[in-house]
Amino acid sequence: DGGITQSPKYLFRKEGQNVTLSCEQNLNHDAMYWYRQDPGQGLRLIYYSQIVNDFQKGDIAEGYSVSREKKESFPLTVTSAQKNPTAFYLCASNRGTSGSGEQFFGPGTRLTVL
Amino acid sequence: DQQVKQNSPSLSVQEGRISILNCDYTNSMFDYFLWYKKYPAEGPTFLISISSIKDKNEDGRFTVFLNKSAKHLSLHIVPSQPGDSAVYFCAASGGSGNTPLVFGKGTRLSVIA
Repeated sequence: DGGITQSPKYLFRKEGQNVTLSCEQNLNHDAMYWYRQDPGQGLRLIYYSQIVNDFQKGDIAEGYSVSREKKESFPLTVTSAQKNPTAFYLCASNRGTSGSGEQFFGPGTRLTVL
Repeated sequence: DQQVKQNSPSLSVQEGRISILNCDYTNSMFDYFLWYKKYPAEGPTFLISISSIKDKNEDGRFTVFLNKSAKHLSLHIVPSQPGDSAVYFCAASGGSGNTPLVFGKGTRLSVIA
């Protein structure tokens, strides 16, 4: 079955530690996205990538980093510079310019900083 | 400044009645609009979309209406069912397939049996 997987489902981190969230898709989508959801805040864009080896900052990129070495993978690193990392993180993908704007979402990772 | 606004954080509707969720936008460059449904601790799932060349799109119990002059869209769910209870997000984009979506803050719908 095609889809987007995110791992792990729950992640705990001590303050000062970097942590990497995984996102993999087998939909052959060109574009991938990372969002953060906080209560009452909706979904806010962290980073996105329209093609392999290229990515752009979203609205709240500070304290985060990404890489896009393979089409199917778009990992997100939450660094110690991110002041409020506890949140629900969502990865999404879509076909890019060849398709509709609809994005498909993964199941999410809840990160908690202890 | 919020470009996509969902001004009602929550809505309660009786089972069988109509649910109407509203969304306003400020960016006149937006030309593609989507509604997503989200359950707690899960990723959003796509419900229905509408292009700016249309003013209505229907899919089963779900209908989206677009009023471009008012920069307003609405999602109608008829009849509402308990399983429709979720958070609904309105999203908009500038049209090309890989333009990042801009999301509203969501409306929590509760359908009461």
